[in-house]
Amino acid sequence: DGGITQSPKYLFRKEGQNVTLSCEQNLNHDAMYWYRQDPGQGLRLIYYSQIVNDFQKGDIAEGYSVSREKKESFPLTVTSAQKNPTAFYLCASRPGPPGNTIYFGEGSWLTVV
Amino acid sequence: GESVGLHLPTLSVQEGDNSIINCAYSNSASDYFIWYKQESGKGPQFIIDIRSNMDKRQGQRVTVLLNKTVKHLSLQIAATQPGDSAVYFCAEIRMDSSYKLIFGSGTRLLVRP
Repeated sequence: DGGITQSPKYLFRKEGQNVTLSCEQNLNHDAMYWYRQDPGQGLRLIYYSQIVNDFQKGDIAEGYSVSREKKESFPLTVTSAQKNPTAFYLCASRPGPPGNTIYFGEGSWLTVV
Repeated sequence: GESVGLHLPTLSVQEGDNSIINCAYSNSASDYFIWYKQESGKGPQFIIDIRSNMDKRQGQRVTVLLNKTVKHLSLQIAATQPGDSAVYFCAEIRMDSSYKLIFGSGTRLLVRP
């Protein structure tokens, strides 16, 4: 099936540890995005990438890192520098022009224990 | 600052009635708007979109209206069903801003049986 796959669905992290969330898409989309969602809140942009080997910081990039070595993959690392990492993380992708719509994966829940 | 926001955080409607969810935006240069539906614990699901050169667009049971004069966007759901219960987000894409998707805070739609 075509789509955006995020894994794992649920992840627990001890304080001081880095964790990496996976995002893979087989839609041949050019751009990929990571958003963070806190309970009862909207979505905030962490990082985005419009092409391979290039990415830009979003509004809340501190404590996070990404890479875009392949078109279909855009992993997000939540580092120990992120002081409040417990949240729902959403990966998204967008086709190249003229397509504008951004499609989302099913999300990953990260909990710090 | 620039923002996309919603007037009502929670909307309760009777099954079978029509629902109207409103959204205000502040950037008159915005090119493209999207409505998403998000069910609990899932990623946002695309509902309908509209370009800034349009006033109205219809889908299956949904209609989006855009009033550029007052910078207002609305989503109308006809014959609301229990499966429509979810949080609805409007989002704005600014083509001159690297296709960053800016989200409002969301409206929760509750459908009474």
